[in-house]
Amino acid sequence: QKEVEQNSGPLSVPEGAIASLNCTYSDRGSQSFFWYRQYSGKSPELIMSIYSNGDKEDGRFTAQLNKASQYVSLLIRDSQPSDSATYLCAVINAGNNRKLIWGLGTSLAVNP
Amino acid sequence: DAGITQSPRHKVTETGTPVTLRCHQTENHRYMYWYRQDPGHGLRLIHYSYGVKDTDKGEVSDGYSVSRSKTEDFLLTLESATSSQTSVYFCAISEEPGELFFGEGSRLTVL
Repeated sequence: QKEVEQNSGPLSVPEGAIASLNCTYSDRGSQSFFWYRQYSGKSPELIMSIYSNGDKEDGRFTAQLNKASQYVSLLIRDSQPSDSATYLCAVINAGNNRKLIWGLGTSLAVNP
Repeated sequence: DAGITQSPRHKVTETGTPVTLRCHQTENHRYMYWYRQDPGHGLRLIHYSYGVKDTDKGEVSDGYSVSRSKTEDFLLTLESATSSQTSVYFCAISEEPGELFFGEGSRLTVL
């Protein structure tokens, strides 16, 4: 079992819809959670971080964390074609706060 | 954007030759990382540094070495390149845990 799991997709949503991306992790002691976006042929870029249970909103993005169920999700409201990318979930485990554990990413396609 | 540059951006080399990739930052971030990214494997940490001359191994460090003699530079060396090291290599920097800023990547092909 991989430490951080994501559905590879592709997840296809129409423009204007809500895109929901999910990530589960295996280390119950994990403390910090991150979402990165990677456009095809480009490098990853940080879009959200979340550290405590509940929701964290930033513009059209909402990160949700549920430590009891060991999942973190990213919601993208009013999805735009420019949101089409691979979204990477990353987690810091309790053992080393400088090593991120990465999921393989979910590919999102927003259709005009 | 974080000031981080990688060189070369593209390189084709032959099996058995040495290769050095350079990462240069202008942000004075303490932490620097080298990752490789391959289809089906995602991002995998090769080595990272937490200060000048302070480095540690990642999950795929075999066949790679690193050096950091200055805060701004982090070098990744493949002593004798193999075809399995064909990949896209990303350098990243950070100050806060988990908040990484990535370079544009270096595409290496080993024939």
